[in-house]
Amino acid sequence: DAGVTQSPTHLIKTRGQQVTLRCSPKSGHDTVSWYQQALGQGPQFIFQYYEEEERQRGNFPDRFSGHQFPNYSSELNVNALLLGDSALYLCASSVTDRVEQPQHFGDGTRLSIL
Amino acid sequence: GDSVTQMEGPVTLSEEAFLTINCTYTATGYPSLFWYVQYPGEGLQLLLKATKADDKGSNKGFEATYRKETTSFHLEKGSVQVSDSAVYFCALKKGSGYSTLTFGKGTMLLVSP
Repeated sequence: DAGVTQSPTHLIKTRGQQVTLRCSPKSGHDTVSWYQQALGQGPQFIFQYYEEEERQRGNFPDRFSGHQFPNYSSELNVNALLLGDSALYLCASSVTDRVEQPQHFGDGTRLSIL
Repeated sequence: GDSVTQMEGPVTLSEEAFLTINCTYTATGYPSLFWYVQYPGEGLQLLLKATKADDKGSNKGFEATYRKETTSFHLEKGSVQVSDSAVYFCALKKGSGYSTLTFGKGTMLLVSP
């Protein structure tokens, strides 16, 4: 049973560019959340998708947007990249109707902005 | 808002030493509490969880007890191994399954032979 998979593993971009990160949730999971983890910090919540809609959003600007597809996979898009966007981007999936259900994480995409 | 505070690291121990990593939280209501571990170059792995007061979560020799009176969820292990070297994150989640995780800043553990 495959867990959460993310692609690409690493990515290098320059300021002002746009990037798309991808995530496939664990089998049986229908909710996808995205987190940003800066070096030496804990993950910060970006947004969560369920039934192809953004359900919750953290304190991130509109440059960060996302999408969820009918097969529950998800994309994170970041426009007008800034140096401060350099981080590990983590995708987590869960089953939405399970109260104590933990979120399962992928290995992340390491984004470096030059 | 909700928050999680962890002891700062790194925590440096010799193999077979006793481990405690402190975690306290601030939240309204009754959150579920989690410990995640992150090995170098990897994502987060769930280590253990507790969903109500006085619950004890345990896994791979690690334990943590949900103490509502002290709003704490300290991680302990009786005898650490070199392979336990990693960053440990305490986190909380409130409400139903679609709620999100709030993480602490993480505590690095370094175990030497």
